[in-house]
Amino acid sequence: DTAVSQTPKYLVTQMGNDKSIKCEQNLGHDTMYWYKQDSKKFLKIMFSYNNKELIINETVPNRFSPKSPDKAHLNLHINSLELGDSAVYFCASSQVGRGSNTGELFFGEGSRLTVL
Amino acid sequence: AQSVTQLDSQVPVFEEAPVELRCNYSSSVSVYLFWYVQYPNQGLQLLLKYLSGSTLVESINGFEAEFNKSQTSFHLRKPSVHISDTAEYFCAVSDGGYSTLTFGKGTMLLVSP
Repeated sequence: DTAVSQTPKYLVTQMGNDKSIKCEQNLGHDTMYWYKQDSKKFLKIMFSYNNKELIINETVPNRFSPKSPDKAHLNLHINSLELGDSAVYFCASSQVGRGSNTGELFFGEGSRLTVL
Repeated sequence: AQSVTQLDSQVPVFEEAPVELRCNYSSSVSVYLFWYVQYPNQGLQLLLKYLSGSTLVESINGFEAEFNKSQTSFHLRKPSVHISDTAEYFCAVSDGGYSTLTFGKGTMLLVSP
């Protein structure tokens, strides 16, 4: 029933490891996003995909690689994790096409990544 | 480019007191405005939004916000807060299209008995 679901909710790992976070939405939206929330609660867009096509790629290290197998899924893979990658990562979705875009986002519960 | 300023990082109030959380934005085009709420250890939930029409918008739990174009503001108000309103509140702006929401830095509302 969850509209935007992310897994895992918590992730604790060592520096240098590679990890993935998965996201799925069942709202029928055509656009999905990854946001990073730092320790000061600041939310920053990382990536956006529209119908599986990358449309926004902010200044993010290329250790971060998003993948969208279909418009309902957007995964985030992170290579060679660093201490500064510790944050909460939020997946979100919206409907942009068909003249219905207002910018309203629907968020997942977040995935808290802790790098030791 | 758009930006959002939330002047207060933290607002402490007593239960049943009124509260106003301030939000100012800048944008060169027409905007859509949003307030999201984040309860501890949870994701962001939409509280209310201004898309068009009446400049005063309300949420189901007693919050309201007024879009003021001349002052480029979208302040959030509640006449009487509850302990359960304790949360982080984010103001956000969008111009539609493929641009994403731009968020303010958030205001922590702390309601004490």
